Amino acid sequence: GENVEQHPSTLSVQEGDSAVIKCTYSDSASNYFPWYKQELGKRPQLIIDIRSNVGEKKDQRIAVTLNKTAKHFSLHITETQPEDSAVYFCAASRLGGTYKYIFGTGTRLKVLA
Amino acid sequence: NAGVTQTPKFQVLKTGQSMTLQCAQDMNHEYMSWYRQDPGMGLRLIHYSVGAGITDQGEVPNGYNVSRSTTEDFPLRLLSAAPSQTSVYFCASRITGRSETQYFGPGTRLLVL
Repeated sequence: GENVEQHPSTLSVQEGDSAVIKCTYSDSASNYFPWYKQELGKRPQLIIDIRSNVGEKKDQRIAVTLNKTAKHFSLHITETQPEDSAVYFCAASRLGGTYKYIFGTGTRLKVLA
Repeated sequence: NAGVTQTPKFQVLKTGQSMTLQCAQDMNHEYMSWYRQDPGMGLRLIHYSVGAGITDQGEVPNGYNVSRSTTEDFPLRLLSAAPSQTSVYFCASRITGRSETQYFGPGTRLLVL
């Protein structure tokens, strides 16, 4: 079946450094790739998403890149801050219908002050 | 809008007991789903619904039942609780065919003894 692999499972960076989380998907028909942030004890919340018709999307310190040929996409966080510490989930899905989200297993990011 | 709401926030059950986790949304979303979250395993889909009267199984449906009699409500029933069902349960909803943003409820933490 379809799956999404996410790496690394944990990531520690110094405040101000960049963090990169990578995901690989198996379903070549996937065309929608959201990223969720989950703070401790809270619900997952969407932070950025990308559709397969673009290769990169930015929102302030956060960016997502997509390589359709290799079937992988990445989350980039620049100038990390302590409040970026959380678990991040990637997912893959298809637009315009009732297709399920397939989530990665999550990355715990720790930003060290 | 209250968004996606879940009750209870926390529940302790004994093995063999039954209970219903409630989920409601006031955004008129067609698509609703239930996930369980366990350490290191990400968000795994239990059941989902694409509209009132329509439900389908996700990747881990055993031991759980759902129904969708209205657009707003999507309860999850545990028929005979087992310790393996100890987890955090999240309900989520989204509009299909337009914005693909999936909104999560605050979660229910379930402990089965």
